[in-house]
Amino acid sequence: EAQVTQNPRYLITVTGKKLTVTCSQNMNHEYMSWYRQDPGLGLRQIYYSMNVEVTDKGDVPEGYKVSRKEKRNFPLILESPSPNQTSLYFCASSLSIGGAGANVLTFGAGSRLTVL
Amino acid sequence: GQSLEQPSEVTAVEGAIVQINCTYQTSGFYGLSWYQQHDGGAPTFLSYNGLDGLEETGRFSSFLSRSDSYGYLLLQELQMKDSASYFCAVRGAGTALIFGKGTTLSVSS
Repeated sequence: EAQVTQNPRYLITVTGKKLTVTCSQNMNHEYMSWYRQDPGLGLRQIYYSMNVEVTDKGDVPEGYKVSRKEKRNFPLILESPSPNQTSLYFCASSLSIGGAGANVLTFGAGSRLTVL
Repeated sequence: GQSLEQPSEVTAVEGAIVQINCTYQTSGFYGLSWYQQHDGGAPTFLSYNGLDGLEETGRFSSFLSRSDSYGYLLLQELQMKDSASYFCAVRGAGTALIFGKGTTLSVSS
């Protein structure tokens, strides 16, 4: 089944304890992205990647890191989580970085993170 | 920068027609798309407009006017299962897809 898989789905952690949210897609998609969703703020982009070893900042990159060492994986790293990073996180991918296909994102199921 | 405006809430009854508007500001334009998200779930792609005009997919249609920087999603024959949040998204210069804040649609019987 074509999908984007995120783990963990739920996580409660404490301030300053490094964590990684993994994201993997099995569709050979070029483009991958991370969004966070907060009430009333919609989906805000954190980082995105157009290809292996190519990443760029979105609108809210502070406090996050990403890497794209393989085409299928795009982990989100919180080096020192803070309570303001409590949110619902979505990983998404699209087949292409241009044309109509770039507008069609497939989302993972989401990871709900709580930082105490 | 890029920004999108859409209503925060819309209510309707089963069987009705509802239109969710979206206006955008972007440097460069490479398409307007719409996504649906049920409570607690992942957003799912609904439709895409790259050129002016109407795109129809079953009960849902989406319209774009590039000269007005405006689009809408039209939902016909509303059903209870259509209660969800709807996001417009625009791709401007660069490759990032930027989302609006979403419109919560509540359908009642």
